[in-house]
Amino acid sequence: EDQVTQSPEALRLQEGESSSLNCSYTVSGLRGLFWYRQDPGKGPEFLFTLYSAGEEKEKERLKATLTKKESFLHITAPKPEDSATYLCAVHEGGSEKLVFGKGTKLTVNP
Amino acid sequence: DAGVTQSPTHLIKTRGQQVTLRCSPKSGHDTVSWYQQALGQGPQFIFQYYEEEERQRGNFPDRFSGHQFPNYSSELNVNALLLGDSALYLCASSLVGPEETQYFGPGTRLLVL
Repeated sequence: EDQVTQSPEALRLQEGESSSLNCSYTVSGLRGLFWYRQDPGKGPEFLFTLYSAGEEKEKERLKATLTKKESFLHITAPKPEDSATYLCAVHEGGSEKLVFGKGTKLTVNP
Repeated sequence: DAGVTQSPTHLIKTRGQQVTLRCSPKSGHDTVSWYQQALGQGPQFIFQYYEEEERQRGNFPDRFSGHQFPNYSSELNVNALLLGDSALYLCASSLVGPEETQYFGPGTRLLVL
């Protein structure tokens, strides 16, 4: 059973068209939920950490939110340079590993 | 502030060979984790090293082994390579504490022929 599920698998937007990516998780004792951005052939780049339900963090056009069962990454007025795969990962209590979803591949067309 | 570095960037090996990948953590970090990422998949946890000991291991066979040195750098060794070991190998470093955000390096692309 997958602990982390991301949807949609792929998303194509026009420049300026806002949308949201979803990450649902099933872990006990969440220590943290992480969002990363990954460009093709490169390592994941850290974006946000969220620790408790109700928490929100923002960075430029990105805003991450967390509930007890899922997290959303909201992208406002995206630009072509926001095109990448966005990965969600959870850090479960009693474990040191990050468990990743398969990612959402975002394409923003000019 | 130096980030996580990995070497080599690319590697081609044949089945049955052995490979060693290297990682230097972000300045100030003391913990190194290794992940394997197959094409189109999220990274899968291999193991984590802290204080030169393996702290936790994922579901990978014993062919995968590692080491952490006193300067916190780390190596990942894979013996008896299989075609299925072809992947992007990622190293992540963190600092033990309440947050422990993992920062990733650029990865090593391994191709097994």
